[in-house]
Amino acid sequence: GDQVEQSPSALSLHEGTGSALRCNFTTTMRAVQWFRKNSRGSLINLFYLASGTKENGRLKSAFDSKERYSTLHIRDAQLEDSGTYFCAAEAAGGNYKPTFGKGTSLVVHP
Amino acid sequence: ETAVFQTPNYHVTQVGNEVSFNCKQTLGHDTMYWYKQDSKKLLKIMFSYNNKQLIVNETVPRRFSPQSSDKAHLNLRIKSVEPEDSAVYLCASSFGTGGAAETLYFGSGTRLTVL
Repeated sequence: GDQVEQSPSALSLHEGTGSALRCNFTTTMRAVQWFRKNSRGSLINLFYLASGTKENGRLKSAFDSKERYSTLHIRDAQLEDSGTYFCAAEAAGGNYKPTFGKGTSLVVHP
Repeated sequence: ETAVFQTPNYHVTQVGNEVSFNCKQTLGHDTMYWYKQDSKKLLKIMFSYNNKQLIVNETVPRRFSPQSSDKAHLNLRIKSVEPEDSAVYLCASSFGTGGAAETLYFGSGTRLTVL
């Protein structure tokens, strides 16, 4: 099965509301990243975490290696937050190559 | 099995050599991408193709050249590799034309080390 299970696959929010995206891992990961894809296919790096939490503006991410999950919280969603979000995790041990989740397509409505 | 297949998984080479990475998707997608992830973990798009046509060509050195024989294949050739080319290269595909709402399906990545 997939090492990285991302949910939900799609999310619809009204402006000003918030929600959380989640990635569960079937094995121990040593780090996780969160990206947002824009219309040109560029993947904007949002967070890189080896543990704990990080916050940047309206986004906050947490990573718990022991419990095998990571979350990305979005608060006060804005229209420009729409896009597809990916988590990518790096397995403990070995050379780094990220394993991606299937993505969450977020649409923010007025 | 339907997925994105990338080869090789790892490659070690010397400065000045030529390398080629292969990518094939069996998902029936129209768009394929190559990304480079460097030591700072930043993931940058290099190229994308839609139905064999180049649609995104970011500023990359001329020694990098994509090759698409059909919409299911997008290979990446690097002529005369440099030390700064050491990175993880990721191939991906998507169903549509590359819009922001489309999810990406990634290959397992190729880790290139240039000595």
